[in-house]
Parts: sequence; C-alpha cells; structure tokens
Amino acid sequence: NAGVTQTPKFQVLKTGQSMTLQCAQDMNHEYMSWYRQDPGMGLRLIHYSVGAGITDQGEVPNGYNVSRSTTEDFPLRLLSAAPSQTSVYFCASSGGPRNEQFFGPGTRLTVL
Amino acid sequence: AQSVTQPDIHITVSEGASLELRCNYSYGATPYLFWYVQSPGQGLQLLLKYFSGDTLVQGIKGFEAEFKRSQSSFNLRKPSVHWSDAAEYFCAVGGYTGKLIFGQGTTLQVKP
Repeated sequence: NAGVTQTPKFQVLKTGQSMTLQCAQDMNHEYMSWYRQDPGMGLRLIHYSVGAGITDQGEVPNGYNVSRSTTEDFPLRLLSAAPSQTSVYFCASSGGPRNEQFFGPGTRLTVL
Repeated sequence: AQSVTQPDIHITVSEGASLELRCNYSYGATPYLFWYVQSPGQGLQLLLKYFSGDTLVQGIKGFEAEFKRSQSSFNLRKPSVHWSDAAEYFCAVGGYTGKLIFGQGTTLQVKP
C-alpha cells in the first residue's frame, strides 16, 4: 500500500495563478482532510470529506475549493493564488472519526 | 465552537527528566482526543487517542495521556524523556462529524 500520496512535492506560483494539489489514498478510507501548516499556527483544517460526494468547510476554507468524486481522490484547488497561501499543505485520510488520520508527505507551496 | 489550546509553545527538558505537555480543548459533545508527533522534516504520527472508557490512555514510545472532563484537558506525559523525543507535538479534538481541529503545537527540546 502506498498510503496517502500527494503531488507535487514543491510548487512555486505567481500571484493570481490557479493550481490543483492532488491527494490520493489506497486504504479505502471514507474520511479525508486538507490542512495547511504555518509556523506557530499548527495545522489548520481547510476542507474535509466524509465520503464521495460529501465535503464541508474547515477553519480556513477561503480561496480553496475541493471535490470528492471518488473514495480515493481528494484534490484541493487554489482558485487565484495569493502570497498568504504560501504554506505546507497536508492531506490526510482515516477510516472514521475515532480512527488515526494518516498523513501524506506534504506539498510545499510558495506564492510570489 | 471546536478548538484546542496548547499553552506552551516551546518546552526544554533534560534527558531523563519527566515531561508533561498541556492541552485544553473546547467541544460541545463527547470529544475524540488525539496526540500526534512531528519529527523534523517528517510527517505526523499518532501517539495515542481517547474517545471513551479509561481516562488514562497509553500510547507508543512510552507516552500516556489523561482525559479530565471537568478541566477540559488532555495532557500528555512521559516519565523519562529521551533525546529522540525532540519534536513538535500536536493535540487535536474531533467528534462524530469527522472534523479534526489541531492545536498550535508544542516544540520539545531535549538537553543532554
């Protein structure tokens, strides 16, 4: 099992550009989440999903969109990148709310 | 509102000394509580979790945590710290919705 995979590992964008961060898991987990990690801020929840076709907002959803068309994939879209979105992004999946979340390796995004 | 506070941003302990990392949470229903550790340049690993039953839970690497409902706390402890425990520690609270909120993190430094 590959677990949770994220692509790309690194990305540099210019302000106003759009892009999609990919996340996939092969553990048949229903629950998936996107977090951003910034120094001194911990991990902040952007969006989460409890199954295919079901998504909800987290703590910091503005500027990001998600969709969940399959159990395996949970892409995160930046609509118009801003320097404030410079961060490390983690995707995670779990089998349920009481279960451990498994994290991907992260994507380091810089917006100039 | 769902939230987590880790009052200590940075803690330094001597190797072999005991450790307690504090975590206070706010959640309107029965909380699911987690402690994760992130070593430098690494992903997040689950140390332990609590959702019901015995309020003292044991985790990996010799860590334990105690749930105190009256104090809304879930403090992490270890009787004797090893140099390899130097890392960032995150407390998180969730519930049946699958939404997991993390604290700001506590960075642990271990002195030889």
